[in-house]
Amino acid sequence: AQTVTQSQPEMSVQEAETVTLSCTYDTSENNYYLFWYKQPPSRQMILVIRQEAYKQQNATENRFSVNFQKAAKSFSLKISDSQLGDTAMYFCAFMKQYGGSQGNLIFGKGTKLSVKP
Amino acid sequence: GAGVSQSPSNKVTEKGKDVELRCDPISGHTALYWYRQSLGQGLEFLIYFQGNSAPDKSGLPSDRFSAERTGGSVSTLTIQRTQQEDSAVYLCASSSQYVADTQYFGPGTRLTVL
Repeated sequence: AQTVTQSQPEMSVQEAETVTLSCTYDTSENNYYLFWYKQPPSRQMILVIRQEAYKQQNATENRFSVNFQKAAKSFSLKISDSQLGDTAMYFCAFMKQYGGSQGNLIFGKGTKLSVKP
Repeated sequence: GAGVSQSPSNKVTEKGKDVELRCDPISGHTALYWYRQSLGQGLEFLIYFQGNSAPDKSGLPSDRFSAERTGGSVSTLTIQRTQQEDSAVYLCASSSQYVADTQYFGPGTRLTVL
């Protein structure tokens, strides 16, 4: 079975600074996808960034980038130039590419990020 | 375009009653997922529909939970004889045809069982 661990329940950062959220996962699969979702107080889960395991290059979306270390099973999220609107719960998620239960997202417990003015 | 919508936004019910939660996926999306978000268990997968295939029900916690998807579009999650431990936010997501495609989530239904 796959598991996703987010070891930082809460973090805070000053506006305009950079913050890194950690995520590790455990799987015996070789082909899979990893995601970071953001959930503001409105409850709407919003995709921040995704990474295909077969790609060595780290994904980047504007101020958001990941550090994907496949051998270490690590998938951290870096937020640059933090903005007040980045305040939210951040969830790391894993999805198998093949086999039973493919398509089902397995989530970590989340990290609550507060951006302070 | 319109995103995933869910209704009701909030639902309060008494222990033992049945409830129905509705999800309208993004138009054209063939895959639909239900997840449950609770304080104790975090985010858990419940059930997955893909086109006309038999649904993957492997995440349903008990036989009190069931879901259907009519006409390949709208889905209803039914919880019978609700218990207090069913209190949670129920999230629906949809994606297009392929497993690798991004899942887009609705705003969820917060269920409170008194």
